[in-house]
Amino acid sequence: DADVTQTPRNRITKTGKRIMLECSQTKGHDRMYWYRQDPGLGLRLIYYSFDVKDINKGEISDGYSVSRQAQAKFSLSLESAIPNQTALYFCATSDPGAERRHEQFFGPGTRLTVL
Amino acid sequence: DQQVKQNSPSLSVQEGRISILNCDYTNSMFDYFLWYKKYPAEGPTFLISISSIKDKNEDGRFTVFLNKSAKHLSLHIVPSQPGDSAVYFCAASFQTGANNLFFGTGTRLTVIP
Repeated sequence: DADVTQTPRNRITKTGKRIMLECSQTKGHDRMYWYRQDPGLGLRLIYYSFDVKDINKGEISDGYSVSRQAQAKFSLSLESAIPNQTALYFCATSDPGAERRHEQFFGPGTRLTVL
Repeated sequence: DQQVKQNSPSLSVQEGRISILNCDYTNSMFDYFLWYKKYPAEGPTFLISISSIKDKNEDGRFTVFLNKSAKHLSLHIVPSQPGDSAVYFCAASFQTGANNLFFGTGTRLTVIP
């Protein structure tokens, strides 16, 4: 079944460490997104990519970077993790050619804790 | 600034009754709206959507109502079932451009058997 997967599912790290979260999809979608979810704040967009050569900042990109290695892979990096980056991180995909082009398909999430 | 707001963090409803989840938005340029459902340890999944050219969209037990003048939408679930217990997010977007989604803060629905 076509899917969106995220690794790792849980990660505990220390302040100042570099960390990478990975996302892979088998849906064949061109568009991919990274969100973070914090209690009381909903989901906020960090970065999005419309294809391998197109990367765009979202609402809260400071402290993060991304890499679109292939159509199917989109990774999020925290160059020097800080405690307020503790959150639930979601990757999502969408197909702009679909009838419901606004619909995004989410991975299961990565719970990141920065000590 | 939060452009999409869900002012009720939680809602409890008896099984079989109607659940009404509310959402308000501030940007009048939004013209497409979606509801997502999220279970613990899973990502959000799409539930239902509505374009601003409509004021109602129905899909089985789920109906979304849009009041553009009030910048308000609501999700009705009838009848509510225990399996509907989840966190519900509303989201708003624009028909043109990047189609990015702006999410509300979520409402946790508990359906009591």
